[in-house]
Amino acid sequence: QQQVKQSPQSLIVQKGGIPIINCAYENTAFDYFPWYQQFPGKGPALLIAIRPDVSEKKEGRFTISFNKSAKQFSLHIMDSQPGDSATYFCAASKGAQKLVFGQGTRLTINP
Amino acid sequence: EADIYQTPRYLVIGTGKKITLECSQTMGHDKMYWYQQDPGMELHLIHYSYGVNSTEKGDLSSESTVSRIRTEHFPLTLESARPSHTSQYLCASSGSGTVSNQPQHFGDGTRLSIL
Repeated sequence: QQQVKQSPQSLIVQKGGIPIINCAYENTAFDYFPWYQQFPGKGPALLIAIRPDVSEKKEGRFTISFNKSAKQFSLHIMDSQPGDSATYFCAASKGAQKLVFGQGTRLTINP
Repeated sequence: EADIYQTPRYLVIGTGKKITLECSQTMGHDKMYWYQQDPGMELHLIHYSYGVNSTEKGDLSSESTVSRIRTEHFPLTLESARPSHTSQYLCASSGSGTVSNQPQHFGDGTRLSIL
């Protein structure tokens, strides 16, 4: 059973555009929603995370939007750059339990 | 910068060999994890440990085994490698407490190819 569904599977955006990656979850007990960024040949690295008590969180050019009633959250990248090209994973967890990851989105930012 | 190390980075080996993938962390984290990932694809949890002498199987069935004799070390072993074991293996660790306070830190992985 896939508890976190991520879309799209791949995304191509021109430099300066705003790619948006979406995730939907099923378990209403989830209380932590991180996003990880993975470059080829590297392990995933934590990018930004949000709790369900806020609807939006910004860190630099990265923003998470959270919709608790719809059980959805999304990652927006402002003023995207070719260096942002990577695979992005959303995840969710409840308390101290292990993370459940989405399927990943391969993002390409064209110059 | 997280200090979690995986060796080897790449391994090409024949069928039937015994393999041990090493993972070490210097952060004193109690929790450690092994994930299997085809490059750029979904992460599948295959083993995790919440402390010394504690190991659990993950969500994806795996023929590998793990041990946790020391806090900093979490090796993964395949007794008899097969071509179906070809994949990338990622190790991660996190501290105690709720996940939200202690994010998972990943190593750079071991890319394993079984001929």
